[in-house]
Amino acid sequence: AQSVTQLDSQVPVFEEAPVELRCNYSSSVSVYLFWYVQYPNQGLQLLLKYLSGSTLVKGINGFEAEFNKSQTSFHLRKPSVHISDTAEYFCAVSDFTGGGNKLTFGTGTQLKVEL
Amino acid sequence: KAGVTQTPRYLIKTRGQQVTLSCSPISGHRSVSWYQQTPGQGLQFLFEYFSETQRNKGNFPGRFSGRQFSNSRSEMNVSTLELGDSALYLCASSLEAGGPYEQYFGPGTRLTVT
Repeated sequence: AQSVTQLDSQVPVFEEAPVELRCNYSSSVSVYLFWYVQYPNQGLQLLLKYLSGSTLVKGINGFEAEFNKSQTSFHLRKPSVHISDTAEYFCAVSDFTGGGNKLTFGTGTQLKVEL
Repeated sequence: KAGVTQTPRYLIKTRGQQVTLSCSPISGHRSVSWYQQTPGQGLQFLFEYFSETQRNKGNFPGRFSGRQFSNSRSEMNVSTLELGDSALYLCASSLEAGGPYEQYFGPGTRLTVT
C-alpha cells in the first residue's frame, strides 16, 4: 500500500519570498510522483510529475520539485511566489499496478501568499 | 481541445435519494477515474474505467457504482444517500490506462445531501 504525507497543512508566505511545500511518500515498489494545484471551486491542475530520469523536475508557473529516493521525499519549491499562487497543493503517488491510473493523494497544503 | 466536463456542477439531494453524476472525458481519452473530495477525508479514489470495464476500485461501499459507455463518457451513481456523501466529486481522464499517463481533472460536481 502507498501513502503520502504532506507535513504542513498551511504555509503562509510573503509575496516574492521563496517557498517549499513538503511531501513524503511510502511505497514498497517504484512509484511515480505528482504535484497538483487546486484553485477555489476548481478541479485539480497538474503542476509537475516525476516518472524517471533526472531527479529535479521543472513544472508550470515556475515550480520545481526534487525526487529524493533515500529520503522518500518529493518537495515542491518556488524561488519567488506571487499572490496568484495562493491555492491548495496536493502531492500524489501512483505505482500504476493492476494496469490502472489510481492516484493516492496527500491531505494537501494551503499556500497563502500575502502582500 | 475541450477539457473534462462534469454535469451537473452543483446538486442538492435528500438523504435516502439516489444521484447520478456525469463525466465527459477529453476527446480521445479512454480512461476515466472518479475521486471524492471532503474536508475530513481529503481526496479518495472511487474507481477507474477503461474500455467500458472497471479497472480499479477504492474502498467505498457498494452504494457507489459507476459505468463507462462506448464513447468513453462515464457516470457514477450513489444510491441511498447519506449525509456523509456530501462532497466534491472529481472526474479525471487520461489517454490510456496503465500509466504513467497524465490525468486531466474536471471542475467537479458539488453534492450536498440534506
